[in-house]
Amino acid sequence: KAGVTQTPRYLIKTRGQQVTLSCSPISGHRSVSWYQQTPGQGLQFLFEYFSETQRNKGNFPGRFSGRQFSNSRSEMNVSTLELGDSALYLCASSPRLATPYEQYFGPGTRLTVT
Amino acid sequence: AQTVTQSQPEMSVQEAETVTLSCTYDTSESDYYLFWYKQPPSRQMILVIRQEAYKQQNATENRFSVNFQKAAKSFSLKISDSQLGDAAMYFCAYRSRARNQGGKLIFGQGTELSVKP
Repeated sequence: KAGVTQTPRYLIKTRGQQVTLSCSPISGHRSVSWYQQTPGQGLQFLFEYFSETQRNKGNFPGRFSGRQFSNSRSEMNVSTLELGDSALYLCASSPRLATPYEQYFGPGTRLTVT
Repeated sequence: AQTVTQSQPEMSVQEAETVTLSCTYDTSESDYYLFWYKQPPSRQMILVIRQEAYKQQNATENRFSVNFQKAAKSFSLKISDSQLGDAAMYFCAYRSRARNQGGKLIFGQGTELSVKP
């Protein structure tokens, strides 16, 4: 079974632009979560989607948004990019919401904002 | 709100020796999960071991074991017979079992483990 895939793997954007990152979960998994990883703040939860609905949201500004499609693939969007948005963005999938199953992480998208 | 603290930013161990990574957490909940994740230089997060709070028995996965002290809110990871491939950043993580929290993980700041040949 293929693992979680994230595209693109690397991205360079300019301040003020917007960006869309994609995450394809493991086949059969219906829950997708997103995390931001920075040297200063560590790993922080962004949001979680299940059955095309956002089920949980972290403490991030409204510039960060996401969605999930009927095939469980998820996208996250960051508008009006700031230098502080430079980070590794990780997504993780799990079979269902709020289950004892662990989450499987993708390789991440490295976003650099200049 | 729950918090996870890893007080050791860096640790070092000699190959084949044993090392213990520390983690403490704070929560008012009685039912939750605790995890140790490994992040090698490739940045791929890999689950190392999982512990359910309602289980008193400490989890073990091959060379990896935990010491779960619920009352003390402590969850340390012991790596036995350390191998060069164990070198990585290790994260301790907490997950509530409350349905409204879903699969949200709360991570510690990480411990960078180096293994000396």
